[in-house]
Amino acid sequence: AVQLVESGGGLVQPKESLKISCAASGFTFSNAAMYWVRQAPGKGLEWVARIRTKPNNYATYYADSVKGRFTISRDDSKSMVYLQMDNLKTEDTAMYYCTANWGYWGQGVMVTVSS
Amino acid sequence: DVVLTQTPPTLSATIGQSVSISCRSSQSLLHSNGNTYLHWLLQRPGQSPQLLIYLVSRLESGVPNRFSGSGSGTDFTLKISGVEAEDLGVYYCVQGTHAPTFGGGTKLELK
Repeated sequence: AVQLVESGGGLVQPKESLKISCAASGFTFSNAAMYWVRQAPGKGLEWVARIRTKPNNYATYYADSVKGRFTISRDDSKSMVYLQMDNLKTEDTAMYYCTANWGYWGQGVMVTVSS
Repeated sequence: DVVLTQTPPTLSATIGQSVSISCRSSQSLLHSNGNTYLHWLLQRPGQSPQLLIYLVSRLESGVPNRFSGSGSGTDFTLKISGVEAEDLGVYYCVQGTHAPTFGGGTKLELK
């Protein structure tokens, strides 16, 4: 069965850093573009970052709201995708989901930025 | 950025009723490769989103065929032919032709 399992969320203070992870299984991870999507409490979905596959040079793309602060990466040997979040702001508080090509989704991990 | 406008924001339906949700884009979603990367998701209460329809009209595996998608260019529609109780939740359109963006969502409730 396909699984995406996020981990690493928690409570941090503004300007701090946090790295969240997503472990994939049950499908050919190396063939899938991977995305991070977030959802602030009571709000809609917002795309955060995307990373393409090896044939596409692992190209990365970011929403303007996180560009320069967040970094997406992947390790195909471990079927993992990561989101390094630096200089966090209170408005980054959200549930963060990883998704493979929009078809597979994790259960989400909560990130709370508060002093 | 491409703006996706979903209407209506809220939809009240009875079981068995057919309903439609509109998703309009501020730019054409036709990619230079000929594909239109417009997809539909359902987020049930307390759950992660799930893919229903991809590339405008292709039914994701395991999704009931009462769901259908149509449209082209900038105007797209999701139709549910005979709402069932398990269909309640928030529907989102999402585009991947340009930098990804989501519609604001349509909440489907029981009347």
